[in-house]
Amino acid sequence: QKEVEQDPGPLSVPEGAIVSLNCTYSNSAFQYFMWYRQYSRKGPELLMYTYSSGNKEDGRFTAQVDKSSKYISLFIRDSQPSDSATYLCAGGRTGFQKLVFGTGTRLLVSP
Amino acid sequence: DAEITQSPRHKITETGRQVTLACHQTWNHNNMFWYRQDLGHGLRLIHYSYGVQDTNKGEVSDGYSVSRSNTEDLPLTLESAASSQTSVYFCASSGYTGELFFGEGSRLTVL
Repeated sequence: QKEVEQDPGPLSVPEGAIVSLNCTYSNSAFQYFMWYRQYSRKGPELLMYTYSSGNKEDGRFTAQVDKSSKYISLFIRDSQPSDSATYLCAGGRTGFQKLVFGTGTRLLVSP
Repeated sequence: DAEITQSPRHKITETGRQVTLACHQTWNHNNMFWYRQDLGHGLRLIHYSYGVQDTNKGEVSDGYSVSRSNTEDLPLTLESAASSQTSVYFCASSGYTGELFFGEGSRLTVL
């Protein structure tokens, strides 16, 4: 079993839709959770991070962690074609070091 | 602007040959990482370094080596390339904030 599981997609939505991206993890020691966005043929870039359980909001993006169910979510409101990318979730025990990544979910937002 | 650069961006080699992928960062970050990204596996950690002369094995280190002689560079060497090492390789670095900054990737094909 992989430590971080993520549906590879692709997930196709129309512009303006609310998008929900999800991951599950198995390592109870994970305290830090991140979402990275990766455009085609580019390196990943940090989108959001959260520590322990709870929500964090940044503009159109909301990250949510439920440690009781080991569930990580990223919500995108008013999705735009520019949001089309692969979204990687990751977990770690000690901050940003030695992160364990999910396989990524490919998101396609059509105009 | 500070950045992290990888070279070459594309490389085709033959089985058994030695290959070195270069990674250079100008952020003066202590921490540097090498990942490989494969379909169905996501990003997997190969080697990492927390400073000059420090190197550590990651999840998939067999067949790879790194050396850290200065802060800016962490070259990744494949001593005897194998077809299973065909992949996209990403170098990353992080400083005191812990945020990982990724390079653009090096696409390696081993024939």
